Amino acid sequence: KQEVTQIPAALSVPEGENLVLNCSFTDSAIYNLQWFRQDPGKGLTSLLLIQSSQREQTSGRLNASLDKSSGRSTLYIAASQPGDSATYLCAVEVNYGQNFVFGPGTRLSVLP
Amino acid sequence: GAGVSQSPSNKVTEKGKDVELRCDPISGHTALYWYRQSLGQGLEFLIYFQGNSAPDKSGLPSDRFSAERTGGSVSTLTIQRTQQEDSAVYLCASSATGELFFGEGSRLTVL
Repeated sequence: KQEVTQIPAALSVPEGENLVLNCSFTDSAIYNLQWFRQDPGKGLTSLLLIQSSQREQTSGRLNASLDKSSGRSTLYIAASQPGDSATYLCAVEVNYGQNFVFGPGTRLSVLP
Repeated sequence: GAGVSQSPSNKVTEKGKDVELRCDPISGHTALYWYRQSLGQGLEFLIYFQGNSAPDKSGLPSDRFSAERTGGSVSTLTIQRTQQEDSAVYLCASSATGELFFGEGSRLTVL
């Protein structure tokens, strides 16, 4: 059974810092991996999708990498801003077009 | 539509009543997913549709929960005889190419 964990569970940093969020999964036989952010009381917003043949994706200040063999993905946020404060979740696609398994999330606070 | 639409956004009901939650996916998305998120918890998978078929119903917590999808589009999640432990945010997502897009969720409170 696929299990996804995220470290740290919570993180508080001053504005301007670069930071790394970690996502680990137990079964390397995945298809896609996707990173989301969730603001309080809201749904999930897709940030980056790393397809199975890719190793990383970049969007603005965000960079996500994927190492399937080691069961790890990292989300790098450069020059963090208070607006980045949210919960960040990763999800792995277990079978193509079927079930996605989510991590518990990392709650990020960026202090002005 | 432009995004995944869910209704109602909030629902307060009494224990024992039935509720229906609706999800209207992004036009053309063949895959549709229901998840549940309890307060302070992660996302719990409920059910997945490919077209009108539900290949994976393994996440439905009990036989009080059911879901259907008609015309390969709108889906309805029905909870019968609601219990207090059903209180949660029910999230719907759709996908066409493996990327999930979520709605804002339906917050269910069972008194």
